[in-house]
Amino acid sequence: EDKVVQSPLSLVVHEGDTVTLNCSYEVTNFRSLLWYKQEKKAPTFLFMLTSSGIEKKSGRLSSILDKKELSSILNITATQTGDSAIYLCAVKETSGSRLTFGEGTQLTVNP
Amino acid sequence: GAVVSQHPSWVICKSGTSVKIECRSLDFQATTMFWYRQFPKQSLMLMATSNEGSKATYEQGVEKDKFLINHASLTLSTLTVTSAHPEDSSFYICSAHVGARTDTQYFGPGTRLTVL
Repeated sequence: EDKVVQSPLSLVVHEGDTVTLNCSYEVTNFRSLLWYKQEKKAPTFLFMLTSSGIEKKSGRLSSILDKKELSSILNITATQTGDSAIYLCAVKETSGSRLTFGEGTQLTVNP
Repeated sequence: GAVVSQHPSWVICKSGTSVKIECRSLDFQATTMFWYRQFPKQSLMLMATSNEGSKATYEQGVEKDKFLINHASLTLSTLTVTSAHPEDSSFYICSAHVGARTDTQYFGPGTRLTVL
């Protein structure tokens, strides 16, 4: 059975701090890993990673995949209160189109 | 990105009634849609995969007779919670797979169901 584990489960930081969120996976036939941000409603897409070692970047957010270690990290620099959310990691296998989600990391950024 | 809408955004119903939730892809055709439920402070749990023109594929432990899914067109999937009970109260989210171009799923805004 596919498994996605995120850590930490929750994190409280101050504005301006840099955070690193972790995601590890056990998937039979890995195809891609996706990061989502969920505030009050449904998740919004952040990144999709398929190749090891290639960093994807969007503003203060960046993410990288390590297929050897079966893991990915999501970095947020110079955090702002608007970054407070649940960050979800999901993986997709080569067959089918379903995603398997991790438990999520609840990030709280205090002023 | 692709836009997925859900209706209603919230609903309160009495125990024993049925509730229908619609999920629409607004600017693309979705051959596959997914239905998730999410309890407070928990992650998304896949309930079923909805395929246009065929029967939905349900995850283990999800009662197909209780959660009826219909995907009659390439832009609309519906989830009907039949004979709802308070334990069915949850946040229901649909997503749509855009197609072979990408693995990304785009999520609807979710429907908050409260069963009294």
